[in-house]
Amino acid sequence: GAVVSQHPSRVICKSGTSVKIECRSLDFQATTMFWYRQFPKQSLMLMATSNEGSKATYEQGVEKDKFLINHASLTLSTLTVTSAHPEDSSFYICSARGQGDTLGTQYFGPGTRLTVL
Amino acid sequence: GQQVMQIPQYQHVQEGEDFTTYCNSSTTLSNIQWYKQRPGGHPVFLIQLVKSGEVKKQKRLTFQFGEAKKNSSLHITATQTTDVGTYFCAGRSGNTPLVFGKGTRLSVIA
Repeated sequence: GAVVSQHPSRVICKSGTSVKIECRSLDFQATTMFWYRQFPKQSLMLMATSNEGSKATYEQGVEKDKFLINHASLTLSTLTVTSAHPEDSSFYICSARGQGDTLGTQYFGPGTRLTVL
Repeated sequence: GQQVMQIPQYQHVQEGEDFTTYCNSSTTLSNIQWYKQRPGGHPVFLIQLVKSGEVKKQKRLTFQFGEAKKNSSLHITATQTTDVGTYFCAGRSGNTPLVFGKGTRLSVIA
């Protein structure tokens, strides 16, 4: 159990376009989802936390108008990178925390590798 | 804010040697998790420690959580080439999201 999927797994786009990444909890309800980005050979950096039905909380330095997060249901959160530029190229990973999980276990998706040309 | 420091950054070992990575938090943690990420892959959950002084074993891997719940370690006995990857610790205080350490990249020379 506790499987999280992400789609797409890889995306290549031109500079200036927008890219949407989906994160789904397949067999549990995720009240909270987290979005991380990881640059090559670096650690995971938390971008934002989203709770179902409410606005996402962004970490310091993350532009909320550039990285739009929607958590419309208990099984789906989306991250849209608007007007992507080459410096946005990165590995984006989501994780989900289940309803009633008091230990705060986060289950990670397989990640989406974004390349902006 | 909460910081999680992890050392060493890199470790190269001969196959069969032991390996240890250490994690220290600036704040007392509710729990700590360990992940392994293979090159090109995504982090895979290994274990979660919750209790002060807790020790858990998974085959050749031994995980410890300090008495003060501010530090943790992962020890691998007799490393194998399949152990190659980056090991991350991630800690949580209260209801905050996980904060990841920078990871320790393990290379194993056959």
